[in-house]
Amino acid sequence: DSGVTQTPKHLITATGQRVTLRCSPRSGDLSVYWYQQSLDQGLQFLIHYYNGEERAKGNILERFSAQQFPDLHSELNLSSLELGDSALYFCASSVAPRGAQETQYFGPGTRLLVL
Amino acid sequence: GNSVTQMEGPVTLSEEAFLTINCTYTATGYPSLFWYVQYPGEGLQLLLKATKADDKGSNKGFEATYRKETTSFHLEKGSVQVSDSAVYFCALSGIQGAQKLVFGQGTRLTINP
Repeated sequence: DSGVTQTPKHLITATGQRVTLRCSPRSGDLSVYWYQQSLDQGLQFLIHYYNGEERAKGNILERFSAQQFPDLHSELNLSSLELGDSALYFCASSVAPRGAQETQYFGPGTRLLVL
Repeated sequence: GNSVTQMEGPVTLSEEAFLTINCTYTATGYPSLFWYVQYPGEGLQLLLKATKADDKGSNKGFEATYRKETTSFHLEKGSVQVSDSAVYFCALSGIQGAQKLVFGQGTRLTINP
């Protein structure tokens, strides 16, 4: 158990809908990262938050947004869903972005299926 | 751009066989290198890491050495077990100060008893 929790574990929804994925980082970790794992794109970085502020953006669609709250949990919002958004979404946390060697600890993921 | 290339899978071995999973990277600067493992139905777990050239990361019998001259970080284990069956991901971070992980495509390993 990494200490990172993600809810829900599974989500089935329809095209055009909006969903919210939630992540609670390990106790004491200030950084939260979101990744998408799909069969065709592999594991891709979406976005990084540190202590409530956005730090870096990756291949995140404009239909997707995220935020980190004062209690450090994070939410990833996916809207106008398309079939191709079906994937496993991981959240990871680390202590701080002090350096590249900071280990990222991954949650179990949320499996999203868009029908 | 920055990228990681892993050997194509899937890889199937018998128990107690020697394992090598190749990983090479392309990066500007000096990244940190990682191997993560994903067991069925679970998230990614850090297996080992190396933060500078010639560093050797090791854990649970697995080893990988950061080779700057060949831009490689191959994963090895001397004697695999059935419980090592999983998907293995090579990754880098630290390019231009960014902490995001850049992953290879993953290698599925199956160990038969």
